[in-house]
Amino acid sequence: GAVVSQHPSRVICKSGTSVKIECRSLDFQATTMFWYRQFPKQSLMLMATSNEGSKATYEQGVEKDKFLINHASLTLSTLTVTSAHPEDSSFYICSAREGGGGSYNEQFFGPGTRLTVL
Amino acid sequence: AQSVTQPDIHITVSEGASLELRCNYSYGATPYLFWYVQSPGQGLQLLLKYFSGDTLVQGIKGFEAEFKRSQSSFNLRKPSVHWSDAAEYFCAVGRQAGTALIFGKGTTLSVSS
Repeated sequence: GAVVSQHPSRVICKSGTSVKIECRSLDFQATTMFWYRQFPKQSLMLMATSNEGSKATYEQGVEKDKFLINHASLTLSTLTVTSAHPEDSSFYICSAREGGGGSYNEQFFGPGTRLTVL
Repeated sequence: AQSVTQPDIHITVSEGASLELRCNYSYGATPYLFWYVQSPGQGLQLLLKYFSGDTLVQGIKGFEAEFKRSQSSFNLRKPSVHWSDAAEYFCAVGRQAGTALIFGKGTTLSVSS
C-alpha cells in the first residue's frame, strides 16, 4: 500500500516558538492532503484540507494564521504551528489522497507527530 | 450534519471470545465507511472499508463489518479476539468523494487473558 511519512515523530518546544511538521507521500503523488488533530483519548478532528498549489481550506474554529499549511509539491505538505502554546500540545496526523475527480480515492495516514509545548 | 457515533467507549473481551464494535452514522446519501485501528502513540491502520456492493466486508487481521442501511450501522466484528487486538478503534465516514473523513470518538478495546 501507499506510504505516508511524517517528520518529526515527536517534538518538544518552548512556548512562543514555531514548529514545522512535514508530511510526505513516498510512493504516490498526493493531490490532496488532510491535517487532523487528536487530543489524548479523543478522536481525530479535521483541521484543514490542502490541495497542491492552492491555499488550504481550514475548518471552522481553526486559526489559519496560527496553523500555516503549505502544499508546495505533490509529495509534500507542511504544517507550521506558529507561536506555539501549551494548549497546542497534541498529536497531529496527516493523510494523503491520490488523484481526483469523481471516484473516491482512499486516504493514507501518516504515523503522526506528537507535539509538546512547554 | 454528518456524524459518526460509537456508543461504547471501552470494551473488555476475553482472549478467544468474539467481538462486536458498534458504529452508527448520520448521512443523507450512501456513505463511504471505514474502520481504523490505532495502537498507542501510533498512526491509523485501515482495517476495512465499504463503498458499495456486498454489505458484508472482509478486512485485515480477521475483521469484518456489515453495512446495514436500515439501521445506519456499520458494526465491526471478529470471531476470536487475540491479545494483540487491544487498541483504539475508530469508525469513520467520508462525506463526499475525495473529502476528509469524519471520525467517531473511538472505542478502546482491552483483551483479558
